[in-house]
Parts: sequence; C-alpha cells; structure tokens
Amino acid sequence: QKEVEQNSGPLSVPEGAIASLNCTYSDRVSQSFFWYRQYSGKSPELIMSIYSNGDKEDGRFTAQLNKASQYVSLLIRDSQPSDSATYLCAVYDSSASKIIFGSGTRLSIRP
Amino acid sequence: DAGVTQSPTHLIKTRGQQVTLRCSPKSGHDTVSWYQQALGQGPQFIFQYYEEEERQRGNFPDRFSGHQFPNYSSELNVNALLLGDSALYLCASSEARVSGSPYEQYFGPGTRLTVT
Repeated sequence: QKEVEQNSGPLSVPEGAIASLNCTYSDRVSQSFFWYRQYSGKSPELIMSIYSNGDKEDGRFTAQLNKASQYVSLLIRDSQPSDSATYLCAVYDSSASKIIFGSGTRLSIRP
Repeated sequence: DAGVTQSPTHLIKTRGQQVTLRCSPKSGHDTVSWYQQALGQGPQFIFQYYEEEERQRGNFPDRFSGHQFPNYSSELNVNALLLGDSALYLCASSEARVSGSPYEQYFGPGTRLTVT
C-alpha cells in the first residue's frame, strides 16, 4: 500500500513568519506532486503542483521536491491569518493511475 | 468559467437506503474522480470516469457505483447505506490529455452525507 505521510499538527506560526509543511511518500517512481489547501468545512483547493526536483515559486508559496529523498515540502512566506487551514499533500500513483492524499497538516497562524 | 459543481450540498439518509450524488466538471474537463473524505482524514479515492467508463477504482465495495454521461457529468450511487458511509463526498475534474500540468484535479464543493 503506497503511502503519503504528513505531520497532523497543529503547526502554529506567528503572523509574518515562514510556515514550513513537509510530506514524505513511499512510491519511488512518483513524478507528480500536489499541495491542496482545505478550510474547515470546505473542499480542497489546488495551490501548487510540482513535477521536477528543486523549487517552484508562486507568489508567497514555494514547493520544494527532492525525489531521491522522497520528500516534498511547501513554504508559505509572510504567513497571514487567512493561511490558517489544513494543507493536504497529494502524490500521483502512476501504477494505479490515481492520486493518493496524505491526511493533512493543520496550520494555525497566530496574530 | 464555471467550476466543478455538485448536488446536493447536504443529505441525510437512513441506514439501508440508497443515495445518488451528482457532479458537473469544470468547463473543458472530461475526467471525473470521486473521493470520500472522513473527518480529519485526507480524501480517499473511490473511482474515476473517463469516456463514460470506469477507468480506475479504489478500495471500495461494489455498493459504490457510478456513471458518466456524454456531457462528462457524473453520478455516484451508494446502495445499502451504512453508518460508516457518513462523510464528505468530493468530485474532482481534470483533463485527460494535457501536457503542461498533468493530473491536476479541481474539486467541487462536496456533498455532506449523514447516515442515521
């Protein structure tokens, strides 16, 4: 059973600081990785996708991928209270042609 | 540009009943995936439909079935409901053949199913 692991949190970060969210996955051949944000009672919202080793930046968000270590992370710069949500890491399982989600990390930005 | 839509928003059913949930994909998308999300968990893959056929299936019993229509919209049917089927049911749409950002899925607002 392929797995995606995330620390459930809660991760508490002061407003204006950098929030760092981490994810590890078990499938060595995975090529496609995603971060979703989910507010309480709402559906997941895609915020980043990354396919190559290294960093990918989009506004205040940076996704980092290290396939050798089977590790993907999300950095949120200048954290805002509106960033308080659960962040889901997702990995495409090519052998089963499906996306596997982690259970999410709950992030809380304190003013 | 309409996003993914789902209906109904909320549903309360009794154990043993049957339920049908509906999903319309984002404009331009032809693939629909269904997920079940229990409280505090990540979404669990139920199945995926493309070209009106079930292409992939997760570890769900055959009480869970679906359908895709020629306009790409989809239904999820659950028979003989159990208390454990209470969850948020999410539909996600995607484009089968895209070179730039493959496998990106966009979720609808979900249907909250409560089985009593």
